[in-house]
Amino acid sequence: GESVGLHLPTLSVQEGDNSIINCAYSNSASDYFIWYKQESGKGPQFIIDIRSNMDKRQGQRVTVLLNKTVKHLSLQIAATQPGDSAVYFCAENMEEYGNKLVFGAGTILRVKS
Amino acid sequence: ETGVTQTPRHLVMGMTNKKSLKCEQHLGHNAMYWYKQSAKKPLELMFVYNFKEQTENNSVPSRFSPECPNSSHLFLHLHTLQPEDSALYLCASSPGTGELFFGEGSRLTVL
Repeated sequence: GESVGLHLPTLSVQEGDNSIINCAYSNSASDYFIWYKQESGKGPQFIIDIRSNMDKRQGQRVTVLLNKTVKHLSLQIAATQPGDSAVYFCAENMEEYGNKLVFGAGTILRVKS
Repeated sequence: ETGVTQTPRHLVMGMTNKKSLKCEQHLGHNAMYWYKQSAKKPLELMFVYNFKEQTENNSVPSRFSPECPNSSHLFLHLHTLQPEDSALYLCASSPGTGELFFGEGSRLTVL
């Protein structure tokens, strides 16, 4: 959303290129992770999720990679399109503490045509 | 259309006003949430309701008062707010799997 654009890291990519957005999460006990996309003026939308018993999951044009050793999550977008321009958030969840997602600060993706 | 509807989309209020934000979900979920999104911080969880019962209050000031009359509706009552409370307030629901479904948000400006 437009309220979170001031101090976030920004990734600029050329249309058609692949994008990689990174996220460091905080809790080694987190067992579920989600990537959300937030376009200007809209609420966050689910993109893809992954559980801690996996290290890779693929969707349509998107892939999430999980490295539990270094507590790192990445979102790869293939053939980036102008419609992919948005703020991307990773979120972590610990089932032990209920379904209470903790969100990262977000990364702005700008796609240049 | 996300299945979670928030009204109003925009609200301007003075510090002495009383107003309410409304959220309705059409997804059959039993958990509903209020999040605050401001320019200087990540999404902040405010309140969680499961089956109409409040299960989480994340140290939110009492000038924010939530109400959950049933599993489909969630309100956030606002009273004597401060300018720093200006933010986007997001409602979400969950089927209990961890995934959240967000509404479009209510943009609040406190003068």
